[in-house]
Amino acid sequence: EAGVAQSPRYKIIEKRQSVAFWCNPISGHATLYWYQQILGQGPKLLIQFQNNGVVDDSQLPKDRFSAERLKGVDSTLKIQPAKLEDSAVYLCASSFGQANTEAFFGQGTRLTVV
Amino acid sequence: AQSVTQLGSHVSVSEGALVLLRCNYSSSVPPYLFWYVQYPNQGLQLLLKYTTGATLVKGINGFEAEFKKSETSFHLTKPSAHMSDAAEYFCAVFNNAGNMLTFGGGTRLMVKP
Repeated sequence: EAGVAQSPRYKIIEKRQSVAFWCNPISGHATLYWYQQILGQGPKLLIQFQNNGVVDDSQLPKDRFSAERLKGVDSTLKIQPAKLEDSAVYLCASSFGQANTEAFFGQGTRLTVV
Repeated sequence: AQSVTQLGSHVSVSEGALVLLRCNYSSSVPPYLFWYVQYPNQGLQLLLKYTTGATLVKGINGFEAEFKKSETSFHLTKPSAHMSDAAEYFCAVFNNAGNMLTFGGGTRLMVKP
């Protein structure tokens, strides 16, 4: 079974530039999460989708971050404009949904903002 | 609101020694509890989980954890550490009321030969 796919694996951009990350969850998984993991810290939830609807985005900095989940499958996370403090690993995870709470994680995208 | 506290950001043990990684949680409803492991430049991999039933949970690679409601704890243990256990370990809590999976700050386990 294919796992959660994320791309790119690494990205280096200058501050004030824009960047986008892509995630393809495990087939059939209704729930999709985006987490931000700053070096030395635990993952912090940015946004959670159930199918193509947003369940929680309370910790998403909406002035610069946006996310969508097209047709309830793939998802993109965008940062515009990027700041130095956005340097982190962005992890995508998916699960079947509330009845099955185990989340499967992708390898992440390491973003460096210079 | 729910939260997870992992005591000790770094733990160092000798190969063959007991591993104990501490996790305490707060949750307004009965939680589901998880331990994940993260190797360098990798995503998170599930070690074990507690949902309902038996409070002692066995996971992969010889790890186990015990849910203690009275202590709001879910500590991770392994009787004998291997060099391959060196990684970052994260405790997480999920509750159906909030529909959120919340992680602790992580504990980096180092294993000395």
